[in-house]
Amino acid sequence: QVQLVQSGAEVKTPGASVKVSCKASGYTFTDNFIHWVRQAPGQGLEWMGWISAGDNKRKYSQKFMGRVTFSMDTVATTVYMELSRLTFEDTARYYCARTRNFDYWGQGTLVTVSS
Amino acid sequence: QSALTQPASVSGSPGQSVTISCTGTSSDIGAYNYVSWHQQHPGKAPKLMIFDVSGRPSGVSNRFSGSKSGNTASLTISGLQVEDEADYYCSSFSSGLVVFGGGTTLTVL
Repeated sequence: QVQLVQSGAEVKTPGASVKVSCKASGYTFTDNFIHWVRQAPGQGLEWMGWISAGDNKRKYSQKFMGRVTFSMDTVATTVYMELSRLTFEDTARYYCARTRNFDYWGQGTLVTVSS
Repeated sequence: QSALTQPASVSGSPGQSVTISCTGTSSDIGAYNYVSWHQQHPGKAPKLMIFDVSGRPSGVSNRFSGSKSGNTASLTISGLQVEDEADYYCSSFSSGLVVFGGGTTLTVL
């Protein structure tokens, strides 16, 4: 069965970077692309961008351009999201999700930015 | 891209039907049939309920249906059940970009 399993919670200080992983299994990794979506406490879903596992193409939301980087390891069937220059407003749960339709979601990774 | 517009909350009694709207523009919802709906229970990851305006993933109850007219998409839940109480988000995929609605809290009275 399709599964997206994300890395564990992170606590970072302002100005630092965080890298979250999303390991895919149960399907052909290169057949789909992976979105990254975040949700601040008590808020709605916010799209950050996607990476195509087939050809490594990426598309970033304008809001995060220059601060976020998606990467992947095809052998490990894992995609990564790195967000730099963290501020308190980046405290959120970060999700990965598969395909254009977001048909499967990871369990989420809580990133807390605190001094 | 601006967020899609959803009502903040809707409510209904068990057995009734409710419809949640999602309004965008001619550049997103109006341009393509790539509208999805996601259900999120507190503390849980979102779950896909409807894709491509009206498609239903395997395992999703046929009480959930989707439609679109112009720049507005709709999610209808018929025969409301207590477990339908959750937040619902629409999303639109357009020219490689994605935009979500602000979310609607469904209360089953």
